[in-house]
Amino acid sequence: AQSVAQPEDQVNVAEGNPLTVKCTYSVSGNPYLFWYVQYPNRGLQFLLKYITGDNLVKGSYGFEAEFNKSQTSFHLKKPSALVSDSALYFCAVRLAAGGYQKVTFGTGTKLQVIP
Amino acid sequence: DTEVTQTPKHLVMGMTNKKSLKCEQHMGHRAMYWYKQKAKKPPELMFVYSYEKLSINESVPSRFSPECPNSSLLNLHLHALQPEDSALYLCASSQPRGGGETQYFGPGTRLLVL
Repeated sequence: AQSVAQPEDQVNVAEGNPLTVKCTYSVSGNPYLFWYVQYPNRGLQFLLKYITGDNLVKGSYGFEAEFNKSQTSFHLKKPSALVSDSALYFCAVRLAAGGYQKVTFGTGTKLQVIP
Repeated sequence: DTEVTQTPKHLVMGMTNKKSLKCEQHMGHRAMYWYKQKAKKPPELMFVYSYEKLSINESVPSRFSPECPNSSLLNLHLHALQPEDSALYLCASSQPRGGGETQYFGPGTRLLVL
């Protein structure tokens, strides 16, 4: 079985400050890891993913995430938060194996950027 | 173009109604998905179509009936729904590539069952 934990229901950060949204995963093998963002009443928008290779992944809108295999983490980061970054963020994992593998989403973290 | 479109945006239906949700993508993706999302919860997978064939049904009640008429279209037929079926229904698509492919989501249909 695979799972994703987002330990913080909400993260508050001041505009201009760095932000981190935490994600840890559990999977019986190598993972594919994803971050999505969801604005109110909208679908999920892809931000970035880790497949293989460089542990630091850069994505859309200045976001990046670092894959840490020893800590089974994939935290989302941004050097300088914008008010427009306020949204719901989902981490997701999929087992890197053949055949169909289900994507498991975390419970989501609400990011509030304070002006 | 990474756009998945869904219609309608909003739908209100009674428990005896029959309605359909529609999803369309023109990215050439051969996998399409239906998800159900309750407020402030993660999406829950309902169905997966791969190369226009239903490959995954996550034990969804038969009042939900998916259909994939062609590689660009995905429908979800609704009949005799319950109030607890009220949710945001999301469609997604991806190009099967062995697991690392990105799913692209539509904006969703907000369904209210009265």
